[in-house]
Amino acid sequence: DAKTTQPPSMDCAEGRAANLPCNHSTISGNEYVYWYRQIHSQGPQYIIHGLKNNETNEMASLIITEDRKSSTLILPHATLRDTAVYYCIVRVGTASKLTFGTGTRLQVTL
Amino acid sequence: DAGVIQSPRHEVTEMGQEVTLRCKPISGHDYLFWYRQTMMRGLELLIYFNNNVPIDDSGMPEDRFSAKMPNASFSTLKIQPSEPRDSAVYFCASSPQRYNEQFFGPGTRLTVL
Repeated sequence: DAKTTQPPSMDCAEGRAANLPCNHSTISGNEYVYWYRQIHSQGPQYIIHGLKNNETNEMASLIITEDRKSSTLILPHATLRDTAVYYCIVRVGTASKLTFGTGTRLQVTL
Repeated sequence: DAGVIQSPRHEVTEMGQEVTLRCKPISGHDYLFWYRQTMMRGLELLIYFNNNVPIDDSGMPEDRFSAKMPNASFSTLKIQPSEPRDSAVYFCASSPQRYNEQFFGPGTRLTVL
């Protein structure tokens, strides 16, 4: 699986959009971009995934650049409950395994 | 659905003792994963099963660790003998298909004294 690079930490004011970047410059054509998050003391939670088109669900939006070498997870209106570690993972479409990196620790503040 | 269920939630034991962690996956999910999380190494995949059969155990640290899935609704991760360096949070996750999202349980926090 392609290696991902994320900033170790970010801050965001409550009510504002949180934009979490991820670099995956060695991504292959058959690899998807997945995002999970882990709220303190809980198991990781799936957020969203995509291949090359932008994706949106009730939790977030995923923007993937045209060359697919980077992506951004957008939480449109961050709340205190969004404080968590966010993991960007690249996975072959037919694979089972998820390889977690160190992620980005997002702190949402008042 | 109750989600993935793990027990116990916390386990404290002494070095050398046997430890058994339990997991009940979401009904209908064919894939089951065991992960370990520590501050030093982050979240690591230990082993995963498909239809109760172990597929990849390359993440199992050593022979002291073993995992079984006797049926579709139950899996165990056993450590014998336990060592202080096994102290970690162990997560179980399940997935309906090979490449679908994984649903994680609340984890078991293991402390080996």
